[in-house]
Amino acid sequence: GAGVSQSPSNKVTEKGKDVELRCDPISGHTALYWYRQSLGQGLEFLIYFQGNSAPDKSGLPSDRFSAERTGGSVSTLTIQRTQQEDSAVYLCASSRAGLETQYFGPGTRLLVL
Amino acid sequence: QKEVEQNSGPLSVPEGAIASLNCTYSDRGSQSFFWYRQYSGKSPELIMSIYSNGDKEDGRFTAQLNKASQYVSLLIRDSQPSDSATYLCAVTGGSYIPTFGRGTSLIVHP
Repeated sequence: GAGVSQSPSNKVTEKGKDVELRCDPISGHTALYWYRQSLGQGLEFLIYFQGNSAPDKSGLPSDRFSAERTGGSVSTLTIQRTQQEDSAVYLCASSRAGLETQYFGPGTRLLVL
Repeated sequence: QKEVEQNSGPLSVPEGAIASLNCTYSDRGSQSFFWYRQYSGKSPELIMSIYSNGDKEDGRFTAQLNKASQYVSLLIRDSQPSDSATYLCAVTGGSYIPTFGRGTSLIVHP
């Protein structure tokens, strides 16, 4: 595709439910990042995938958060037992390699009631 | 702890003026430097990238990097109301995980 795509664009869920957010990076990009951005805040790094290497999970805020990347392409971020403080925009970005420009998807706006 | 500092603003400039946005970073090993623009409710989009000391120009935008002073800036010439947005500075080093500043809000008034 022409750019990074994410789905769903919006997600409203009830506290305690699990949610899955999907990211489809630019074809050929080996690096994939997940970020979280709360209202009026900066970008909070969550997790980084590079090729077939083990992901860097150092930014995940709790063990309720997990992510996988299948076949070096599509990634899914899963949040279990959602809490109201998980409400934010979840952004995915991809790049050709780790030090290069990141291209962001449109984000998924998550609201936990 | 790697830090990237930006003045949150808002920076207000008149249309046609030069807007100067500044960013300092703490990690001397940083190798790649980026400026992103983020409109309200939208995702960040790349404006400029710079990797070596000096100036890099692209249209109305000039990025300036001074690694000795750990300082990177973005100049926007002939500012337009459409330039009104939040500008994010991002710095990447050996870990390949960029550190983003919290952004500077720019307002260009007619």
